[in-house]
Amino acid sequence: LAKTTQPISMDSYEGQEVNITCSHNNIATNDYITWYQQFPSQGPRFIIQGYKTKVTNEVASLFIPADRKSSTLSLPRVSLSDTAVYYCLVGWYYGNNRLAFGKGNQVVVIP
Amino acid sequence: DVKVTQSSRYLVKRTGEKVFLECVQDMDHENMFWYRQDPGLGLRLIYFSYDVKMKEKGDIPEGYSVSREKKERFSLILESASTNQTSMYLCASSSQGPFGDYGYTFGSGTRLTVV
Repeated sequence: LAKTTQPISMDSYEGQEVNITCSHNNIATNDYITWYQQFPSQGPRFIIQGYKTKVTNEVASLFIPADRKSSTLSLPRVSLSDTAVYYCLVGWYYGNNRLAFGKGNQVVVIP
Repeated sequence: DVKVTQSSRYLVKRTGEKVFLECVQDMDHENMFWYRQDPGLGLRLIYFSYDVKMKEKGDIPEGYSVSREKKERFSLILESASTNQTSMYLCASSSQGPFGDYGYTFGSGTRLTVV
């Protein structure tokens, strides 16, 4: 399983753009990069997934450089409700593969 | 709205009891997973199943077993509950294929306390 490294925690002010990085130096050719968000006492929730370059949806953008050894989740104009733990996962879902969650990155949005 | 439903939100059991945690998904997903989550340790995979009656050990299977008799249902069994199994248990499912539609879908979790 590809190992990921994320900062343990970070703070951001309300209304700012937040960029959360993830390192995955041993990513394999078939691996996708997926980000999840988890609020207290809830299960993680899918945010965004990508393979290369840039992916954008209604809640976030995912930037993946050409070597794919890292990725950056970008949350535009965060609000207090974006305070959560964010997980970066690397792998793919085919067959009996499964992904490994790390400890995630606690993001705290400050008023 | 697709769902993964865990049978109990909170459970309190006594040491030595046999405990069943049930999980049902309505998305026709092939894969199902059981994780436990503890402060400072993140999510750790206990068991997963990629087909009916199939199971594979995750990272921390000791003290647990699973059952998958139907595609939509995946049960986690604590054969003899111990206090170190007090935790939040999360069930998840995913479809198979080179690009899972929305990755894992998680249930809301069962907070189990063993006393």
